[in-house]
Amino acid sequence: DTAVSQTPKYLVTQMGNDKSIKCEQNLGHDTMYWYKQDSKKFLKIMFSYNNKELIINETVPNRFSPKSPDKAHLNLHINSLELGDSAVYFCASSPPSDEQFFGPGTRLTVL
Amino acid sequence: KNQVEQSPQSLIILEGKNCTLQCNYTVSPFSNLRWYKQDTGRGPVSLTIMTFSENTKSNGRYTATLDADTKQSSLHITASQLSDSASYICVVSAQGSYIPTFGRGTSLIVHP
Repeated sequence: DTAVSQTPKYLVTQMGNDKSIKCEQNLGHDTMYWYKQDSKKFLKIMFSYNNKELIINETVPNRFSPKSPDKAHLNLHINSLELGDSAVYFCASSPPSDEQFFGPGTRLTVL
Repeated sequence: KNQVEQSPQSLIILEGKNCTLQCNYTVSPFSNLRWYKQDTGRGPVSLTIMTFSENTKSNGRYTATLDADTKQSSLHITASQLSDSASYICVVSAQGSYIPTFGRGTSLIVHP
């Protein structure tokens, strides 16, 4: 059974479009995250949710809007996509201050 | 400001050789330090975790050390294998914080 899953794995789209990435975890964790990994492989936190509530928003443009319908899901919606949004986006979940379990990543390419 | 610095940025070694990766941090108050392995095209996976009182932790051929006084950690890989080719990321958590601090990783390539 996949612990943290993301869909889609690959996403290719034109500038200006709106897209969503879905994330689900079956580990029963209270905390979920979205990370962006750029071409230099640096993982940067974007958002963190605890029990469906936003606790961290790390200076991410308003075009990015996370939504957590329940504790097991944290989706990422991106409006008006820009070239600089091209990256690999990772979802993760964890117990408080403990190991983060990462999803397989979604490679977003904006043309 | 909490920071994690890793060195070297990249490393190439021959199969069967040993290597050591370094991590220096300024995260405070310290809670724990993890080393993650990220294979190409996959998400990071935790290798080891160490708390303040631990100075060595092993996971197979991987051995992590922690010096909480100097705020340094190392990851030693013994008898490297081709499958060790990956990015190794040092991640440090502060007490009471939901958000750990990530290093930029060391890219390791093991050649046959």
